[in-house]
Amino acid sequence: DAGVIQSPRHEVTEMGQEVTLRCKPISGHDYLFWYRQTMMRGLELLIYFNNNVPIDDSGMPEDRFSAKMPNASFSTLKIQPSEPRDSAVYFCASSPGLAMADEQFFGPGTRLTVL
Amino acid sequence: QQQVKQSPQSLIVQKGGISIINCAYENTAFDYFPWYQQFPGKGPALLIAIRPDVSEKKEGRFTISFNKSAKQFSLHIMDSQPGDSATYFCAASWDKLVFGAGTILRVKS
Repeated sequence: DAGVIQSPRHEVTEMGQEVTLRCKPISGHDYLFWYRQTMMRGLELLIYFNNNVPIDDSGMPEDRFSAKMPNASFSTLKIQPSEPRDSAVYFCASSPGLAMADEQFFGPGTRLTVL
Repeated sequence: QQQVKQSPQSLIVQKGGISIINCAYENTAFDYFPWYQQFPGKGPALLIAIRPDVSEKKEGRFTISFNKSAKQFSLHIMDSQPGDSATYFCAASWDKLVFGAGTILRVKS
């Protein structure tokens, strides 16, 4: 398996623009997670899905952020409108389950810069 | 609210030395404590993990020590190598992972 795939790897956009980040989880994994990593706040869980259904979105910063998982092999994280403080590295991760033995596998991340 | 506190923020160790990173947690519901390793430009990857019913776990040069009563756990890297230079995150979980702030480790050759 190719692992978790994220696109784009880098995104530079102007404030106010819409940004869409994409993720393809590992096949067969029932859980998908979106994280944000910044120097100030470290790694934060934004939202996670189980079998394409959002389970916990308590980490989503505000209504400008939305995430969808239309099928088992694809998820998007959208920011609209984007702001400079959204600049961060966004990671997608997937796992077979939430049990202790179910390792989360992270993608390479998308580095987002909002000017 | 930071539920997992990690220290130090950065660490420089000579090749062959021991690297020690410490974490403390608050929530006694946590039942799984993994450590993740992250190289520049990459996503975090699971390094080693421990359950609270075990006081120590060793995998090669990496050892987790766990003190349930003190709600603390630590990662020891023996015979540290330049290739170990990375950012290390402790984490705790009962259903979802909560990460520490990370420690940037640099091993000098």
